Amino acid sequence: NAGVTQTPKFRVLKTGQSMTLLCAQDMNHEYMYWYRQDPGMGLRLIHYSVGEGTTAKGEVPDGYNVSRLKKQNFLLGLESAAPSQTSVYFCASSWTSGRGRNTQYFGPGTRLTVL
Amino acid sequence: DQQVKQNSPSLSVQEGRISILNCDYTNSMFDYFLWYKKYPAEGPTFLISISSIKDKNEDGRFTVFLNKSAKHLSLHIVPSQPGDSAVYFCAASHNYGQNFVFGPGTRLSVLP
Repeated sequence: NAGVTQTPKFRVLKTGQSMTLLCAQDMNHEYMYWYRQDPGMGLRLIHYSVGEGTTAKGEVPDGYNVSRLKKQNFLLGLESAAPSQTSVYFCASSWTSGRGRNTQYFGPGTRLTVL
Repeated sequence: DQQVKQNSPSLSVQEGRISILNCDYTNSMFDYFLWYKKYPAEGPTFLISISSIKDKNEDGRFTVFLNKSAKHLSLHIVPSQPGDSAVYFCAASHNYGQNFVFGPGTRLSVLP
């Protein structure tokens, strides 16, 4: 049981390049999320998904796109990377609902630098 | 404007003593709160939660207190151990929803 995995762990891009970050979970969770973490700002939600084939915007969605074609995978795309997108990206997953079951399980993170 | 605030960026405590990490929130609709712990180069891991129908929740050395009128919660770690040294994030949601708002974190250092 690997939990939540993220690929790649590190990446350096030039401004204007594109890339896709992959998140996979093997816990059969319905919900999946993408966050970014910047110094002094905690984690901010980029996009999330409440089930296969669905996506929704979070707090900071601009410049990112996502897809959830399979329940276990959640992809985060940057079409034209900008230096402001330099950050550490975390993927998370969770059960649907129910008190006490809202815990999110996080992946190890992807450190992205845009030059 | 941050809806969840952790006003102490860092905290140092002696091993064996109590660590108290604080969190304040501004949105009165928040009804579910969690604490996460994060080690360097790892993702956050769930520590403890509390719902708005309670004012205290305990799990071993960790206790979370919620003061709804003050919109304040705190995490107590007793006794503190060197392995507790990490960044602690407070997070909140409303309607027991899945969209959590995270605070900026507090870095705890437990000194041997």
